[in-house]
Amino acid sequence: GQNIDQPTEMTATEGAIVQINCTYQTSGFNGLFWYQQHAGEAPTFLSYNVLDGLEEKGRFSSFLSRSKGYSYLLLKELQMKDSASYLCAVVDSNYQLIWGAGTKLIIKP
Amino acid sequence: DGGITQSPKYLFRKEGQNVTLSCEQNLNHDAMYWYRQDPGQGLRLIYYSQIVNDFQKGDIAEGYSVSREKKESFPLTVTSAQKNPTAFYLCASTETGQGYEKLFFGSGTQLSVL
Repeated sequence: GQNIDQPTEMTATEGAIVQINCTYQTSGFNGLFWYQQHAGEAPTFLSYNVLDGLEEKGRFSSFLSRSKGYSYLLLKELQMKDSASYLCAVVDSNYQLIWGAGTKLIIKP
Repeated sequence: DGGITQSPKYLFRKEGQNVTLSCEQNLNHDAMYWYRQDPGQGLRLIYYSQIVNDFQKGDIAEGYSVSREKKESFPLTVTSAQKNPTAFYLCASTETGQGYEKLFFGSGTQLSVL
């Protein structure tokens, strides 16, 4: 079967750095998305990786290793507004999206 | 501003009742989707549509129905056949329906059973 694994919850301190991991086992691979979702709100797009390596976008970076079935989202200079759930989703060989359960990130002052 | 509008924000269903969730977009996107979000689970696809007057079942279509009479609108009906409807429902769209396109989401509808 197809599977996406993310930690359920993580806690970090304001101003620090946090890495949220996502491992996947899917039938084929055509890219990986990260979305941010504040409680009770719409998920919003953060990044899309289809090639190996690190892509940086301001305070957020996303890394992909296709050979390891692994991605991470790196958040730097954490702010209280970064408290949210972070959703990992993989595009499989049929171009269907497979979603992880999300990681709830709690930022403490 | 372009976007997706879902209504209502909160909805309560009585047993045996059908309820309809509204989703409207002004992004001129071809494809629209309905997802169900339950605590501790990933998003699950209910229905999707890539063109007006056509739609396909997703992974959990039983107990739900949709229509796509206009490009801008994709309402979801939760029928009485859906025995566990309590969830957060998200409508989304993409430009053409290709799997690698980013999704634009509405703000969601929380459905609860009375």
